[in-house]
Amino acid sequence: EAGVVQSPRYKIIEKKQPVAFWCNPISGHNTLYWYLQNLGQGPELLIRYENEEAVDDSQLPKDRFSAERLKGVDSTLKIQPAELGDSAVYLCASSLVAGAGEQFFGPGTRLTVL
Amino acid sequence: KQEVTQIPAALSVPEGENLVLNCSFTDSAIYNLQWFRQDPGKGLTSLLLIQSSQREQTSGRLNASLDKSSGRSTLYIAASQPGDSATYLCAVRGNTPLVFGKGTRLSVIA
Repeated sequence: EAGVVQSPRYKIIEKKQPVAFWCNPISGHNTLYWYLQNLGQGPELLIRYENEEAVDDSQLPKDRFSAERLKGVDSTLKIQPAELGDSAVYLCASSLVAGAGEQFFGPGTRLTVL
Repeated sequence: KQEVTQIPAALSVPEGENLVLNCSFTDSAIYNLQWFRQDPGKGLTSLLLIQSSQREQTSGRLNASLDKSSGRSTLYIAASQPGDSATYLCAVRGNTPLVFGKGTRLSVIA
């Protein structure tokens, strides 16, 4: 069974440029999460989807960040425009059971903003 | 607000030693607690999930315990190996989204 797939694995951009990350969850997992992980810290939730609905986006900086999961399967997280402080690892996770189910993580996308 | 603390922040042990990693959380009203492993530059690998009604879970050389009332969990690694070297993260799920600790960076020296 394939795990959570993320692309790209690495991205280097100039500040003020846009960037997008893609995630494909484990097949059959209706819940999808996007996390931000800074160096030396644990991941922090940005947004959680139940199917195509964003049910928790309170930590998503909506002035520059956006996300979508149009068909309730794969998802895209976008930053526009990127700032130096956005340099981090962006992790996607999925779970079979909503809410308190075990979460499985992808390899992440390491973003560097110059 | 739930806060998760992991002690120690880093640990170095000789191969073959048994070791314990600690995780504490401030709000005992949790649904479950999950232990993860993270290798450098990689994502998180789920090791063990303990539901709030459980006291412990075991997988191979790993054993995780949960004392919800005192807000503590431990991850016991038996007969450590160099391949166990990684950062270990615990995370708790309650009414808030999954809240992570900062992790314990483990080095097992051959």
